[in-house]
Amino acid sequence: DGGITQSPKYLFRKEGQNVTLSCEQNLNHDAMYWYRQDPGQGLRLIYYSQIVNDFQKGDIAEGYSVSREKKESFPLTVTSAQKNPTAFYLCASSIGAGGSTDTQYFGPGTRLTVL
Amino acid sequence: AQKVTQAQTEISVVEKEDVTLDCVYETRDTTYYLFWYKQPPSGELVFLIRRNSFDEQNEISGRYSWNFQKSTSSFNFTITASQVVDSAVYFCALSEPPRRMRFGAGTRLTVKP
Repeated sequence: DGGITQSPKYLFRKEGQNVTLSCEQNLNHDAMYWYRQDPGQGLRLIYYSQIVNDFQKGDIAEGYSVSREKKESFPLTVTSAQKNPTAFYLCASSIGAGGSTDTQYFGPGTRLTVL
Repeated sequence: AQKVTQAQTEISVVEKEDVTLDCVYETRDTTYYLFWYKQPPSGELVFLIRRNSFDEQNEISGRYSWNFQKSTSSFNFTITASQVVDSAVYFCALSEPPRRMRFGAGTRLTVKP
């Protein structure tokens, strides 16, 4: 089945540690995205990538880093510089072709808790 | 800048009632797209609909219907004869060129048996 997988589902981190969240898709989509969701709030864009080896900052990129070495994979690293990292993280992908805004399809999410 | 407002933070209805979720947007673009997503308790966002700004026809899909009105910058979502399985958080989103989306804060719908 085609889809987006995120791992792990739950992640606990001690303060001061970096942690990497995985996102993989087998939909052959060019574009991938990372969002952060806090309780009672909408989704805020962290980073996005329209093509391999290229990515752009979203609205809240500070304290996060990404890489896009393969089309299928877009890992997100939450660094110790992120002051309040406890949140629900969602990865998404879209076809990415053409100039219009394509529908984004989402993974199941990773819930990160900083202890 | 793009903006999406979902003024209803939480709505509670009894099963079989009809319910409308409001979405108001702001954009300076002449071509744009509007979306609705459902987030059940599991957390994954499920795509419901994508609508082009040039297409103002209302859309119906089973018990779901959408009313798009450019004159009032609204894209409202109605669930007819609601069911307990409709309980979720619903997000409205607006395209933000070149390839981003701006989400509203979401409306939590609770359908009681």
